[in-house]
Amino acid sequence: EIVLTQSPATLSLSPGERATLSCRASQSVSRDLAWYQQKPGQAPRLLIYDASNRATGIPARFSGSGSGTDFTLTISSLEPEDFAVYYCQQRSNWPPTFGQGTKVEIK
Amino acid sequence: EVQLVQSGGGVGQPGGSLRVSCAASGFSFNAYAMHWVRQAPGKGLEWVSVIGADGSGAYYARSVKGRFTISRDDSKNSLYLQMNSLRIEDTAFYYCAKEFGSGSSSWFDPWGQGTLVTVSS
Repeated sequence: EIVLTQSPATLSLSPGERATLSCRASQSVSRDLAWYQQKPGQAPRLLIYDASNRATGIPARFSGSGSGTDFTLTISSLEPEDFAVYYCQQRSNWPPTFGQGTKVEIK
Repeated sequence: EVQLVQSGGGVGQPGGSLRVSCAASGFSFNAYAMHWVRQAPGKGLEWVSVIGADGSGAYYARSVKGRFTISRDDSKNSLYLQMNSLRIEDTAFYYCAKEFGSGSSSWFDPWGQGTLVTVSS
């Protein structure tokens, strides 16, 4: 089972700042990685799939990059609604697995 | 609009059984694989199970294999998770999720609203 390690655990930033979230896989997942956003009391929402493709309706300030074992989710300029927990997920090896999450909080 | 509306769950005893349901609308339900993902309160996400389109194959996480059964009724556009031999560690919010895009993507979108299952004596 592939282990995904996200860092940092918590990111404290102000609106308008750039957020950079990291996800590292225990072995190569090629580009088989997705990012999800989860707000308190809500279900997760798909943001990015195949490492860098934005899902339908996702604003352009969200971008994903990386391949192999190292991946990054970048939010270019944080909006108030972006403060949430973000999870990465791999599908390269069965079963699908998730990282432990990065919380982006208001500084 | 694609919608997944969950029901069921609640409180069960260790060794007992519970069922969660997921009613789908806004898409051709029989054409998509469907998943269950769970999240213990305050914790991260854990994939639980998948059932293929038209019921073609079902797979489970090691933690639930042999105790949980995923099923679907395409005539009712509904997905189910039957949970038997419940354990304390099965306590979680259970989310149903549609497979994203076409083919077998193993990306999840959208998700149901979540149903809390609490296992307690």
